Amino acid sequence: DAGVIQSPRHEVTEMGQEVTLRCKPISGHNSLFWYRQTMMRGLELLIYFNNNVPIDDSGMPEDRFSAKMPNASFSTLKIQPSEPRDSAVYFCASKRTVQETQYFGPGTRLLVL
Amino acid sequence: AQKITQTQPGMFVQEKEAVTLDCTYDTSDPSYGLFWYKQPSSGEMIFLIYQGSYDQQNATEGRYSLNFQKARKSANLVISASQLGDSAMYFCAMREAGYSSASKIIFGSGTRLSIRP
Repeated sequence: DAGVIQSPRHEVTEMGQEVTLRCKPISGHNSLFWYRQTMMRGLELLIYFNNNVPIDDSGMPEDRFSAKMPNASFSTLKIQPSEPRDSAVYFCASKRTVQETQYFGPGTRLLVL
Repeated sequence: AQKITQTQPGMFVQEKEAVTLDCTYDTSDPSYGLFWYKQPSSGEMIFLIYQGSYDQQNATEGRYSLNFQKARKSANLVISASQLGDSAMYFCAMREAGYSSASKIIFGSGTRLSIRP
């Protein structure tokens, strides 16, 4: 089975540009999570969805960040406008509703210049 | 509020020795779950082991075992017979209170394990 797929794997952009990160969860998984990892703050949850519905977005840092899950096999995390402090590794993870374990994608390494 | 504490920022261990990575947690909820993830230098997050708060026995997965001491609120990871490939960052995590379908995980700050040949 394919794991969680994230694209792009690396993104370099300039401050002020829009950035869109993409995630395809494991087939059959109906919970999806977006995390951000930085040296200063560690691994922090941004938002998670259950059955395509956002359940908790309290970790989204500010209005510049938005996430959508239009269907069970696709989610996006958008940053507009991007700032240098958004530079981080962004992970997507998924799991089945009745399952405990979250499975992570390979991450997107974002650098905002 | 729930909290995960990993007090060892880094550890060095000789190959083939056993190693224990410490994790303590704080929660007032009787129902919770504890996880360990491994992050090698390549960056991916790899699930290692899970322990439910009501599980009577310590979880084991191959060379990994979770030393669950509920009264002390500790969930240490034990790696037996360490290998060079075990060198990585290790994160302890806890599922917050609630049903697993609608719960999120909080992560500790991690422990960097280095295995010496």
